[in-house]
Amino acid sequence: NAGVMQNPRHLVRRRGQEARLRCSPMKGHSHVYWYRQLPEEGLKFMVYLQKENIIDESGMPKERFSAEFPKEGPSILRIQQVVRGDSAAYFCASSPGLETSTDTQYFGPGTRLTVL
Amino acid sequence: QQPVQSPQAVILREGEDAVINCSSSKALYSVHWYRQKHGEAPVFLMILLKGGEQKGHDKISASFNEKKQQSSLYLTASQLSYSGTYFCGTHNSDQTGANNLFFGTGTRLTVIP
Repeated sequence: NAGVMQNPRHLVRRRGQEARLRCSPMKGHSHVYWYRQLPEEGLKFMVYLQKENIIDESGMPKERFSAEFPKEGPSILRIQQVVRGDSAAYFCASSPGLETSTDTQYFGPGTRLTVL
Repeated sequence: QQPVQSPQAVILREGEDAVINCSSSKALYSVHWYRQKHGEAPVFLMILLKGGEQKGHDKISASFNEKKQQSSLYLTASQLSYSGTYFCGTHNSDQTGANNLFFGTGTRLTVIP
């Protein structure tokens, strides 16, 4: 049973370009979460999605960031017009969605975004 | 809403014990513990639910005191493989309908021979 998959693992963008990060949840998981981690810091929640629905985006910056989880295909975190401050590791996690609050989240390997 | 972890860092010799604490200002429903090695994904260790239960596997166990709104992770007879940063993730009692976790800033554990 494959784990959570993320690609690319490393992404380099110049200021002003767009970054697209992809996440395929574990088989059988219908909930996806995106977290951002700055060097030497903890994980900060960004957005929580179910198929075709954004459930909670309270951690997402209001501008330039968007996320989707279509009926078919991976979840995508999109950052438009990237700035240097967007450089971070972006982790995706998935859970089965069987029970809120006790659902275990399994993390992918992350995408390390570097903005030049 | 972010929990506070202590200590921030600890160095142990193989075989020594350590305790990592996680405290929240909010009433907690569940606490999730993860370990992350440098450059890798956080790996799930265990989940504790309110009710004061204690869990463990191998030489790593944890407790959850809902009255004090805190959880502690106990590592006994530490091994080199225990090195990494330990994070607690909390789910608050008033967080209905939202599954996201609030993570602490982490405790960096280094085990030396």
